[in-house]
Amino acid sequence: QSALTQPASVSGSPGQSITISCTGTSSDVGDYNYVSWYQQHPGKAPKLVIYDVSHRPSGVSDRFSGSKSGNTASLTISGLQAKDEADYYCNSYTSSVVFGGGTKLTVL
Amino acid sequence: EVQVAESGGGLVKPGGSLRLSCAVSGFTFNNAWMTWVRQAPGKGLEWVGRIRSKADGGTTDYAAPVDGRFTISRDDSQSTVYLQMSSLKTEDTALYYCATGGHWFEFWGQGTLVTVSS
Repeated sequence: QSALTQPASVSGSPGQSITISCTGTSSDVGDYNYVSWYQQHPGKAPKLVIYDVSHRPSGVSDRFSGSKSGNTASLTISGLQAKDEADYYCNSYTSSVVFGGGTKLTVL
Repeated sequence: EVQVAESGGGLVKPGGSLRLSCAVSGFTFNNAWMTWVRQAPGKGLEWVGRIRSKADGGTTDYAAPVDGRFTISRDDSQSTVYLQMSSLKTEDTALYYCATGGHWFEFWGQGTLVTVSS
């Protein structure tokens, strides 16, 4: 099972919006609405920020939003803040589970 | 408050075995699918495997690199899930996380470090 494809890095200035893409295939991202996103700060455990493509867990800021088109899912963070600087991973259900390679978000 | 706590990591020689434990509290464990995810030093997240709730059959799925070497089990009376690892390889060196859920993972522990080295 190949990993989902994410850009290695993205950056943005405080207050701006950024989008991280997650590209899979018709067998994973394109076939199921089970895409989730995780935020991981250095030395910390991952934190769920989006599940089932576009749903936010309780307590996650509404600055985080998710969407999907075809075989590509996207995470958008609006109103960028310094604390958003972290690694972000997407994940999709297939017959098993596959993660993306991760994207390092830098807040300039 | 949900708490997830892994334990059992350590240094083991190639070919050796190790059993990790993951204790969960503040959560309806019996109904939960549970998942193990690992992260090699400086690398991304890698799904290891999962176990369904007893109500959903209690069956397991594994990632190809660990299939046949790792076994996940659960003890609902102790709200604990286990990862039995055997025939360990140097490439199994990683921080091993336990998380609630089978498709997406809401609550995570802080991980337990497994180092496979001679």
